[in-house]
Amino acid sequence: QSVLTQPPSASGTPGQRVTISCSGSSSNIGSNPVNWYLQLPGTAPKLLIFSDNRRPSGVPDRFSGSKSGSSASLAISGLQSEDEADYYCAAWDDSLSGYVFGTGTKVTVL
Amino acid sequence: EVQLVQSGAEVKEPGESLRISCKGSGYSFTSYWISWVRQMPGKGLEWMGKIDPSDSYTNYSPSFQGHVTMSVDKSISTAYLQWSSLKASDTAMYYCARHSGLNAFDFWGQGTMVTVSS
Repeated sequence: QSVLTQPPSASGTPGQRVTISCSGSSSNIGSNPVNWYLQLPGTAPKLLIFSDNRRPSGVPDRFSGSKSGSSASLAISGLQSEDEADYYCAAWDDSLSGYVFGTGTKVTVL
Repeated sequence: EVQLVQSGAEVKEPGESLRISCKGSGYSFTSYWISWVRQMPGKGLEWMGKIDPSDSYTNYSPSFQGHVTMSVDKSISTAYLQWSSLKASDTAMYYCARHSGLNAFDFWGQGTMVTVSS
C-alpha cells in the first residue's frame, strides 16, 4: 500500500503537454526530495528527475519536475510516442524510515 | 560505464530457498548503497530495503523485514537478496538499484524474475 498517490492514467496527443501529480504528506514529499522514474514496457525503471526538479544527464528537457508542500508534479511537454510508459514518483519517508514509491501513472500517447 | 548486472530468472517451489545476485561494475562498489525493489506481476514498485556495501549495514522495509536477507561480498562487488523459504506470493521481478548521494536510484539492474509455483 503506497503512501504516495498518483492518477492511474494520463494521456495526450503528440506534441501536447501532460502533467502527472503525486500527493504525499509532511513526512515524505513535504520534507524530502522527490524523484521520478520512467518504466518502459518490459524494462527496468530509469531515473528521470531527482531532487524535485533536476534532470540526470541525457534526459531531455521536455521532462520537468516541481514540488509544492506535500505534492509534486511531473510535466512532459512536446509529448512523443516513445513517452508511452509507466511513471513513478518516490521519496524517503521519515516516519516509515523507508523509501516509498507512488502508485504509478500509465501515460498513453493517443 | 556504471553497470548493475543481475542473475538470471529462477523457477522454484514453495518452501525452497533462493539467493539472487547483483554485480556492480564501473564504479567504487563500496561507496554507494544498494537497494532492492520488488515488482509483482502487473503491479507497481515496492522498496524492500537497502544495504551499505562498505559495512553490510542494512535497513529493511517493515513489509519485508524477517522474510528476506540482504548481504554483500565486496571482494567481488556483488549484492545478494535471499529467501530461506519461498512462498507463491514471492513471485515477482526483483531489481537492484544504486543510491546516488541524494537518495535517488541512479542506476538499476536489468531485473531478476522469480517464479514460485508447485
